Amino acid sequence: AQSVTQLDSQVPVFEEAPVELRCNYSSSVSVYLFWYVQYPNQGLQLLLKYLSGSTLVKGINGFEAEFNKSQTSFHLRKPSVHISDTAEYFCAVTRRGGGSYIPTFGRGTSLIVHP
Amino acid sequence: NAGVTQTPKFQVLKTGQSMTLQCAQDMNHNSMYWYRQDPGMGLRLIYYSASEGTTDKGEVPNGYNVSRLNKREFSLRLESAAPSQTSVYFCASSEGRTVTGSYEQYFGPGTRLTVT
Repeated sequence: AQSVTQLDSQVPVFEEAPVELRCNYSSSVSVYLFWYVQYPNQGLQLLLKYLSGSTLVKGINGFEAEFNKSQTSFHLRKPSVHISDTAEYFCAVTRRGGGSYIPTFGRGTSLIVHP
Repeated sequence: NAGVTQTPKFQVLKTGQSMTLQCAQDMNHNSMYWYRQDPGMGLRLIYYSASEGTTDKGEVPNGYNVSRLNKREFSLRLESAAPSQTSVYFCASSEGRTVTGSYEQYFGPGTRLTVT
């Protein structure tokens, strides 16, 4: 079984400040890792993913995440946020080699960007 | 390319009524999923279909049924709605087993259901 913990339910930040959204996971097997973003009243869309290779992954809208196997973490970062980044962010893991690649989602982190 | 579409967008039901939520994808994906989203709970998997012709229970299947009508369509049915089923429902699809390395899910816009 696998689980995902998003350590902050809400992260308030001022525009143009840097931000880090934290995600830790536990799994007895290797996993694929994802971050999704959900804007108000919309479905989720993929922000970035880690499958293999370089542990630093770049995604859309200037976001990046770093896979740390020893700390079982996959934190999301952006050096300078915009008002338009206000949204809910979900971390997810999928077991490698699984039959149907069903992800386990964290409970989400609400990023609130203030002017 | 519409991606994943869901109907209806909004629905209000009385306790005991039934309804079917429709989902369709045009990406030729093998796997489809139904989730519910409640405040502070993240996404919880209701049912999924790994491939056409198969369906399996997820984390919270009670009170729901599904039908994988064909490769494109996956419907969710509430036989006797209860207030506890008030939620936002999302359909998603993914390639499933793949050699292309694409394991992410694609989500529909959601159905907001209120049961009174």
